Amino acid sequence: NAGVTQTPKFQVLKTGQSMTLQCAQDMNHNSMYWYRQDPGMGLRLIYYSASEGTTDKGEVPNGYNVSRLNKREFSLRLESAAPSQTSVYFCASRPNREGSAFFGQGTRLTVV
Amino acid sequence: AQTVTQSQPEMSVQEAETVTLSCTYDTSESDYYLFWYKQPPSRQMILVIRQEAYKQQNATENRFSVNFQKAAKSFSLKISDSQLGDAAMYFCAYRAYSGGGADGLTFGKGTHLIIQP
Repeated sequence: NAGVTQTPKFQVLKTGQSMTLQCAQDMNHNSMYWYRQDPGMGLRLIYYSASEGTTDKGEVPNGYNVSRLNKREFSLRLESAAPSQTSVYFCASRPNREGSAFFGQGTRLTVV
Repeated sequence: AQTVTQSQPEMSVQEAETVTLSCTYDTSESDYYLFWYKQPPSRQMILVIRQEAYKQQNATENRFSVNFQKAAKSFSLKISDSQLGDAAMYFCAYRAYSGGGADGLTFGKGTHLIIQP
């Protein structure tokens, strides 16, 4: 079972470049999430999607856009990367209101 | 807004001994979930244990148990018979059971657990 799969695992960008982080889950979960983790911090919610076709802002949405392409896939886009977006990014999914979240293995992004 | 506080940046324990990690939270909700996640050096976030606020009984999972004090808004994790594989960052997390049901998790800053052989 793959669970939640994120690509890529590592990425280095130059300031101003754009990129999309991909996330896919094979557990038929309804809700999906993007978090970022900075040194000395817990994870912070960027965006989430309650179901296919819906997205909502989390705690730190500035500088990001998301797309819930279908039930399986939820992508995170950086249009113009900034050094402040250097972080580890986690995608997660949850089956329903009562369920627990399952996380992908994370993407380490460095913006130079 | 909800907040989660882990006051111990780092804890150390001898192998086979017991250690307790602390967590407090602040919320105005009456129904919610609390979680402990483990993050080893591999970076993977692994669910250790969860507690539903409406349940008075403390959750247990093998060597892991919690002490949930709803009135005090306290949620500590006890690890018994500590093993070298328990070494990791541990994060306390909160989620409300309200709204549209898709709310994300609010995390504490984590406790780095060191296991001394």
